[in-house]
Amino acid sequence: AQSVTQLDSQVPVFEEAPVELRCNYSSSVSVYLFWYVQYPNQGLQLLLKYLSGSTLVKGINGFEAEFNKSQTSFHLRKPSVHISDTAEYFCAVSSRAFPQGGSEKLVFGKGTKLTVNP
Amino acid sequence: GAVVSQHPSWVICKSGTSVKIECRSLDFQATTMFWYRQFPKQSLMLMATSNEGSKATYEQGVEKDKFLINHASLTLSTLTVTSAHPEDSSFYICSAQTGYPHYDEQYFGPGTRLTVT
Repeated sequence: AQSVTQLDSQVPVFEEAPVELRCNYSSSVSVYLFWYVQYPNQGLQLLLKYLSGSTLVKGINGFEAEFNKSQTSFHLRKPSVHISDTAEYFCAVSSRAFPQGGSEKLVFGKGTKLTVNP
Repeated sequence: GAVVSQHPSWVICKSGTSVKIECRSLDFQATTMFWYRQFPKQSLMLMATSNEGSKATYEQGVEKDKFLINHASLTLSTLTVTSAHPEDSSFYICSAQTGYPHYDEQYFGPGTRLTVT
């Protein structure tokens, strides 16, 4: 079984500052990792994903994350945040292998609320 | 593209009544839909997985007779909370998956907040 730990429940930062949202996972098998963002009163939107290949993954809105297998981490980073980045961020893990396909079971962390202050 | 809607966005019902929540994929066909439950400041917990035209697969600990899921078409799945009780109050979120070659991505609805009084 997989599990995901998001180490910070809340992260306040000032606008234009860099930010890192931490995510650690545990799994006995190979994993696929995801970051989702949830803006107030909206659904979850995929920011980026790691399936295979380069461990540095670039996503939308200037975010990137690095898969570190030895540390079982997948931290999310952005070099300069904007007010509009204020949202809840969820890290998720899946053990489903592709391209065999079929249903994918995601296990989510508890989320990190990022608040960007002017 | 890839928009998922949920209806209603917020519902209040009395204890003992049943509530139906709809999840629709608006611009794509969803071979698989998922239902999650989210408590305040908690993770999204997968409740069940449904494939069009077949019975839903429930996660361990989820009462299938209480949370009835129907995936009648490639664009609609419904979750019915039967004989609701206050402990069923929660935020319910659905997601949809298109299938090959995008098995790896789920598109999420905005969620439905259920309050049982």
